[in-house]
This record gives sequence, structure tokens and C-alpha cells, in this order.
Amino acid sequence: ETGVTQTPRHLVMGMTNKKSLKCEQHLGHNAMYWYKQSAKKPLELMFVYSLEERVENNSVPSRFSPECPNSSHLFLHLHTLQPEDSALYLCASSQDRVLSTEAFFGQGTRLTVV
Amino acid sequence: EDKVVQSPLSLVVHEGDTVTLNCSYEVTNFRSLLWYKQEKKAPTFLFMLTSSGIEKKSGRLSSILDKKELFSILNITATQTGDSAVYLCAVGIRGNTDKLIFGTGTRLQVFP
Repeated sequence: ETGVTQTPRHLVMGMTNKKSLKCEQHLGHNAMYWYKQSAKKPLELMFVYSLEERVENNSVPSRFSPECPNSSHLFLHLHTLQPEDSALYLCASSQDRVLSTEAFFGQGTRLTVV
Repeated sequence: EDKVVQSPLSLVVHEGDTVTLNCSYEVTNFRSLLWYKQEKKAPTFLFMLTSSGIEKKSGRLSSILDKKELFSILNITATQTGDSAVYLCAVGIRGNTDKLIFGTGTRLQVFP
């Protein structure tokens, strides 16, 4: 248990569905991240939030929409996804946007788009 | 373009063996190098290295950074089956917002 909790753990959705991934951190951190991990590829940074403000958007398609209502919660809203979006989606948090200490990861959501 | 390269991609050993995992990088604005262990889903933190030549150690695991040659190694001595995992190397990049750039990982399998 790293103090970062993600739900659901597994998700299967059709291409026309809308779903949301949730991340909650109990560490008092100020920065939160979404990463995508596809088979045989490095973790790819998608979004960074610092103090609830989006500070990084790594050219992610608009079918992925993040939301950070407060510094403890981060959502990733999904709509009209493609099969190639199937991957492990990992949430992470760090003390702040300057990585002077490590980032902590959640267990991830395994997403399958059918 | 910032990149992190890990080798080997996979490794199969027997219990008791010693392994060395490699991570090389080419980045602008280096801040730190981190090692994570990923067994099923959540990468768990192992080490953060910021200075050259200073070995960090935790039990049977140790790691060192060479900022001149731009690489790091992770050593695991007397391997156990519980060491089987993917080991991820990430480099922290300084910026308005720092980022972690990950390598593809080394998959280690330890057999009894």
C-alpha cells in the first residue's frame, strides 16, 4: 500500500461508452500525475496537476479528460476510446512539482477497450 | 529528445545468482535518477540517485550513478524468487514542472 489508491482495478468498456478512472492520495502531496503503460513501451506521462492546476498536457487526445477537484483526488474521464487505448493507467503523486523526492504510484487501472 | 535506455530487456537467473541491471540516459536538465520495482501493477520505489559515485544500498540491492558517463546500475545479490519483477529506471527532468522519463524496463525472472 503506497498511499495512492486507484479505482476501478479493471475496466472493460465499449468504444461508445463514457467512464471515469479515480485516484486518491492520502500522503498530503501537492502534485498528481496520470501515466499510461502499454505493452513493451515505457510509461508515458499524460497529465500533471500541481495544487489542482493542470501544468502539463503531453499531447494527449481529447477523448481523455482529466479533472482535479482538490489536491487529494484526480480523475480521468474517458469517452469514445479506441482499442489502442487499452493499457494500464497509473496515477502517481509527489510532494510537489519539483521532484526532489520520489513519486508514489497507485496500483493502476487495467483498461480494455472493445 | 530525452531518452532512457535499459538493458538487458529481460534476464533469467537461478536463485543465488547476482545480477546487474543497466540504465543509460540522454536528457537535458537532469535532476535525479530513480529505480522502481514493478511486480504486478504499482511500481514501488527503490532508490533515488542524484550524486555520482555514491552507492545507495538496501539489503541485497544497491545502485550507483555515473553522471559523467550518463548511466546507472542496479545490483541484486543472492537473488530470490521474490525478486522476479520488472525493474524500471526513470530520470527526473528539471523544468517548470519536473517530469519522470521512464525506460522500458528490465524483466527479471528468478527460478528456484
